[in-house]
Amino acid sequence: SQQGEEDPQALSIQEGENATMNCSYKTSINNLQWYRQNSGRGLVHLILIRSNEREKHSGRLRVTLDTSKKSSSLLITASRAADTASYFCATVITGGGNKLTFGTGTQLKVEL
Amino acid sequence: NAGVMQNPRHLVRRRGQEARLRCSPMKGHSHVYWYRQLPEEGLKFMVYLQKENIIDESGMPKERFSAEFPKEGPSILRIQQVVRGDSAAYFCASSPLALGGGDEQFFGPGTRLTVL
Repeated sequence: SQQGEEDPQALSIQEGENATMNCSYKTSINNLQWYRQNSGRGLVHLILIRSNEREKHSGRLRVTLDTSKKSSSLLITASRAADTASYFCATVITGGGNKLTFGTGTQLKVEL
Repeated sequence: NAGVMQNPRHLVRRRGQEARLRCSPMKGHSHVYWYRQLPEEGLKFMVYLQKENIIDESGMPKERFSAEFPKEGPSILRIQQVVRGDSAAYFCASSPLALGGGDEQFFGPGTRLTVL
């Protein structure tokens, strides 16, 4: 089964609203990363949060990590139409080397 | 600084043919990863290579799939005797020298393989 399960699977909001996506995972991790994928394109790294961190900010992005609940959330504030994309969480599992284990993704649509 | 390059971007093969996918990592990056993405799914890890070494191939199917990262030239993912189920997007990623905790990976645009 997937290491990461994301919720919701799809999200549709109006421009200017905030978007929150959640990710749950099963095993101990070194870090958790969020990536964005525009339709038919490659992935773009957004933010990395290490297992000893609880919150991280980057521009309009805010990521939280709760290792006791094995969950993370990505908040995009003041969304724009250009934020329309699929968002994936990916974990680096403790003792699992450097490979990324991806979640199932959240499809975000930001409407004008 | 050019990003991760993959070619071809689109590849069409008939069942039974071979597919060769190429990946040139970012300049200065010595770690290459291959992932496969089936339609409407997340990426699945296939293999992790350094120059002339396969470090982790736990995600590679046991048969027909192989990967290399020679001393000179791009990394190659090779699929022999392709079947329809191999149709997917194949992404390559690279990272600089790993510090042991796993770092950001830089992804290429992907190769979309279609098997007829």
